[in-house]
Amino acid sequence: AQSVAQPEDQVNVAEGNPLTVKCTYSVSGNPYLFWYVQYPNRGLQFLLKYITGDNLVKGSYGFEAEFNKSQTSFHLKKPSALVSDSALYFCAVRVQYNFNKFYFGSGTKLNVKP
Amino acid sequence: GAGVSQSPSNKVTEKGKDVELRCDPISGHTALYWYRQSLGQGLEFLIYFQGNSAPDKSGLPSDRFSAERTGGSVSTLTIQRTQQEDSAVYLCASSLSGSNNEQFFGPGTRLTVL
Repeated sequence: AQSVAQPEDQVNVAEGNPLTVKCTYSVSGNPYLFWYVQYPNRGLQFLLKYITGDNLVKGSYGFEAEFNKSQTSFHLKKPSALVSDSALYFCAVRVQYNFNKFYFGSGTKLNVKP
Repeated sequence: GAGVSQSPSNKVTEKGKDVELRCDPISGHTALYWYRQSLGQGLEFLIYFQGNSAPDKSGLPSDRFSAERTGGSVSTLTIQRTQQEDSAVYLCASSLSGSNNEQFFGPGTRLTVL
């Protein structure tokens, strides 16, 4: 069965410090990995994705993520957090040739304090 | 360009009533998904449409839930005989075909069943 785990319900970080939001996955087949952000009372917004190629992908708002095949991880990172980054973050995986579903993690609430 | 739109944005109904939720995907997107998100929680997959193929209904929680997509565009999610546990935000997303494409989400419909 395919699954995505976000082991931290909440991450707290001070503004200006680096942030990491963790994601691990378990799939049979080649994974396509995605990060989405959800601001309060809004739908999800796409941040970045890994399909193939360079393991480090860069996305919107200064975020980046690193695909690590051996650790089956796709952690989201940002060098310097902003208060406006406070939101709910979701990791998702899709399996090559299995188009039907995105498998979402349970979400991680990021709190960036001034 | 126009994004995914959903209507209504909020719906309050009485237990036992039927409700219809509408989703207008991005023009040209052949894939359409419905998800349910309970308060501050992750996304629960409900149903997936891809072009003219039979939909993947494997996530529908009961036979009170149904969805259709007319003309490969607009979709309607219908919940019959609503129950209080149906209260949630219902999110619609669309994407281009192909498993490497990200989803674009609508703002959601917040359903409250009294």
